[in-house]
Amino acid sequence: DQQVKQNSPSLSVQEGRISILNCDYTNSMFDYFLWYKKYPAEGPTFLISISSIKDKNEDGRFTVFLNKSAKHLSLHIVPSQPGDSAVYFCAASESRNRDDKIIFGKGTRLHILP
Amino acid sequence: EAGVAQSPRYKIIEKRQSVAFWCNPISGHATLYWYQQILGQGPKLLIQFQNNGVVDDSQLPKDRFSAERLKGVDSTLKIQPAKLEDSAVYLCASSLDRSPLGYQETQYFGPGTRLLVL
Repeated sequence: DQQVKQNSPSLSVQEGRISILNCDYTNSMFDYFLWYKKYPAEGPTFLISISSIKDKNEDGRFTVFLNKSAKHLSLHIVPSQPGDSAVYFCAASESRNRDDKIIFGKGTRLHILP
Repeated sequence: EAGVAQSPRYKIIEKRQSVAFWCNPISGHATLYWYQQILGQGPKLLIQFQNNGVVDDSQLPKDRFSAERLKGVDSTLKIQPAKLEDSAVYLCASSLDRSPLGYQETQYFGPGTRLLVL
């Protein structure tokens, strides 16, 4: 049972345009959401997060939007750059739980085209 | 600041053999995690340590997997005996203790150990 779903296995975007990666979740107890970025042969690196008390969080070229009623979040990258080509994992947790377990989606591979 | 270190980077074994992975977390990080990432999937938590105590091992196949963090720093994950379906990347991550605000501290991942079971 996938609690965090990334339905697009891959996405191709022209350099300079906006990349939009989507994520849906089923567990209404999730209140903290994260995006991780992964290059080949490396571990995932934290990119940006958002708590459920917000609907938007911005950090440079990266913005995460949260729609709690739809149980949906998205990551916007603008403008997209060649170095953004990687696998992006959406993840969620119940921050009130002591164990802080993060549930990851399957990932979306982003290709930035020259 | 040094990151999370893992070794070996790659391991090939035959089924029914044993294998062990080592992780050295970021200095000062109280929490250590072991994840299994099967090809095409996201990382799945196997076990979480807080210092040298286990917080969550609900998804660890305890008949064949074991992990320890004896001195609250380094950790080892062992598979004995290995099965074909254990082929995956094993990721170690670490984080500071829970923040005063109660939100989860960022997890920092190592490069992983890629295991192939033949």
